[in-house]
Amino acid sequence: GQSLEQPSEVTAVEGAIVQINCTYQTSGFYGLSWYQQHDGGAPTFLSYNGLDGLEETGRFSSFLSRSDSYGYLLLQELQMKDSASYFCAVSDQNYKLSFGAGTTVTVRA
Amino acid sequence: EPEVTQTPSHQVTQMGQEVILRCVPISNHLYFYWYRQILGQKVEFLVSFYNNEISEKSEIFDDQFSVERPDGSNFTLKIRSTKLEDSAMYFCASSDPEPYHEQYFGPGTRLTVT
Repeated sequence: GQSLEQPSEVTAVEGAIVQINCTYQTSGFYGLSWYQQHDGGAPTFLSYNGLDGLEETGRFSSFLSRSDSYGYLLLQELQMKDSASYFCAVSDQNYKLSFGAGTTVTVRA
Repeated sequence: EPEVTQTPSHQVTQMGQEVILRCVPISNHLYFYWYRQILGQKVEFLVSFYNNEISEKSEIFDDQFSVERPDGSNFTLKIRSTKLEDSAMYFCASSDPEPYHEQYFGPGTRLTVT
């Protein structure tokens, strides 16, 4: 099965940088995805790493180290609208996503 | 922009009753999924569906659950005899075959079993 660990919550001020770490134990690993969820609404795809290294998408970046079974999501220039839950998810060869428990990010003025 | 839609947004049912949750995936997507999220918990995979058959299912997806694509647009999740612990938000998602990890989620159906 799959097991993912990420911090339960993070608080930061507007303009700051936040890093959300995710460690995983899984079989048949294909890649690591990140999803954002506002107030129990629909999860929204943010980023994906299939290979080691950094992927940058605007203010958000994601990193993967397959050898360490570790990844992170970096949120830069934090804005109030970034207050949400962020989930890492591993994908395998069977077309499913297995989500972590989520990290609640609270952005303060 | 195309989106996944789900109906109803909220369903209240009594324990033991059957419910059908409906989804309209994005029209050109070929993979469909159901996930559930108990309040305050993580999103849990239930089932994936491709080419009119189940590709993968989790241990949660027991004999009480079934999925169907009755026509070219709808994708349904049926729970035959609901239990209190089935109360959750149920999300439908769809994706292209590649990249399937980029899944588009619907707004969810909140199921309350009393």
